[in-house]
Amino acid sequence: AQSVTQPDIHITVSEGASLELRCNYSYGATPYLFWYVQSPGQGLQLLLKYFSGDTLVQGIKGFEAEFKRSQSSFNLRKPSVHWSDAAEYFCAVDNNNAGNMLTFGGGTRLMVKP
Amino acid sequence: DGGITQSPKYLFRKEGQNVTLSCEQNLNHDAMYWYRQDPGQGLRLIYYSQIVNDFQKGDIAEGYSVSREKKESFPLTVTSAQKNPTAFYLCASSIQGSGELFFGEGSRLTVL
Repeated sequence: AQSVTQPDIHITVSEGASLELRCNYSYGATPYLFWYVQSPGQGLQLLLKYFSGDTLVQGIKGFEAEFKRSQSSFNLRKPSVHWSDAAEYFCAVDNNNAGNMLTFGGGTRLMVKP
Repeated sequence: DGGITQSPKYLFRKEGQNVTLSCEQNLNHDAMYWYRQDPGQGLRLIYYSQIVNDFQKGDIAEGYSVSREKKESFPLTVTSAQKNPTAFYLCASSIQGSGELFFGEGSRLTVL
């Protein structure tokens, strides 16, 4: 079975600092990969997705992620964090590369210091 | 505005009672999903439906039931057979193959 690991449960960064959230997956082939963000008590919103092609993908709110096949990773990055980025972030893998059956990681909660 | 509406937002239940969570979408999406969210465990798939009058079990379907009589609606019933029903429940929909799930704001169920 596929699995998604987000090693960091909590991360705290200062406003304006750079951010990298880690995501590792186990899957036999090149999967479809996603990052979602969740504000407290809310549903999830898609930040970006990777299906194929350029391994560096751009998303909304200034986020980007890089697919590294050799490391089975899909880390999320942002050059300069804003206080409004404080939220929980979920990495997800598509179970069958059909674009609609996702397995989610456990999430990383981001806190931003002023 | 198009979107997904879940109700109620908060629900309290006594042990042994069934409860039904509502999920309605006006996005004209074929696929709909129910996820359960517990702290530190991410989201786990309960049931999904890719077309009206058809649905499949996800990873944790035991103690839950669904129906899909209309494209717009995908209600979830949490039955008394569910051993640990206290959780945050999220409904989502998607265009087939797009990979983008659109989520409702969730329903928080607490069993007293």
